[in-house]
Amino acid sequence: SAVISQKPSRDICQRGTSLTIQCQVDSQVTMMFWYRQQPGQSLTLIATANQGSEATYESGFVIDKFPISRPNLTFSTLTVSNMSPEDSSIYLCSVEMAQETQYFGPGTRLLVL
Amino acid sequence: AQSVTQLDSHVSVSEGTPVLLRCNYSSSYSPSLFWYVQHPNKGLQLLLKYTSAATLVKGINGFEAEFKKSETSFHLTKPSAHMSDAAEYFCVVSEAGTYKYIFGTGTRLKVLA
Repeated sequence: SAVISQKPSRDICQRGTSLTIQCQVDSQVTMMFWYRQQPGQSLTLIATANQGSEATYESGFVIDKFPISRPNLTFSTLTVSNMSPEDSSIYLCSVEMAQETQYFGPGTRLLVL
Repeated sequence: AQSVTQLDSHVSVSEGTPVLLRCNYSSSYSPSLFWYVQHPNKGLQLLLKYTSAATLVKGINGFEAEFKKSETSFHLTKPSAHMSDAAEYFCVVSEAGTYKYIFGTGTRLKVLA
């Protein structure tokens, strides 16, 4: 398994601002993922972030709104840009380990006013 | 396309009685299937996984699941519920060849004293 941390754990932001979420893992991993969990909903994949290449975004998510960095094999950031109340969600990162198994960070709880 | 259906959005059981959380999947390939648990205000924890080995999979905290190809099911069971089992449970299928997860809508388990 892996130990994954996220910063911040929660935040309250004003609309129109941006927030950058950090994801740190205690071992080198190739594949990292970013998910959104809207209130009372399941998880939706935002993008896949591999080190050394551009992130791959899922349908409905665009780089201008959710820019992602992956500077090395243990770290990634997700920025939520120009936020609106509809962006209020839990944002989770995960890493892919052996046998297609993903391990998740504790999540970042975002409230946009 | 692959998909996963969790048949119950809410399940209530009495402490000490069996738990059954139902999951059906759709896949063109031999799938990898997972169950995750999310306790309130926590991240996702892997309960167990099926990756084409034994069809009866044992996980943590006394949970197990049986892969039934003929029924395209992967139901989660536990012989005796504990108060600490109260949480949201997600059934997940891994999209073949991409490592992407497809989440079910979740089942909220309530355990009554």
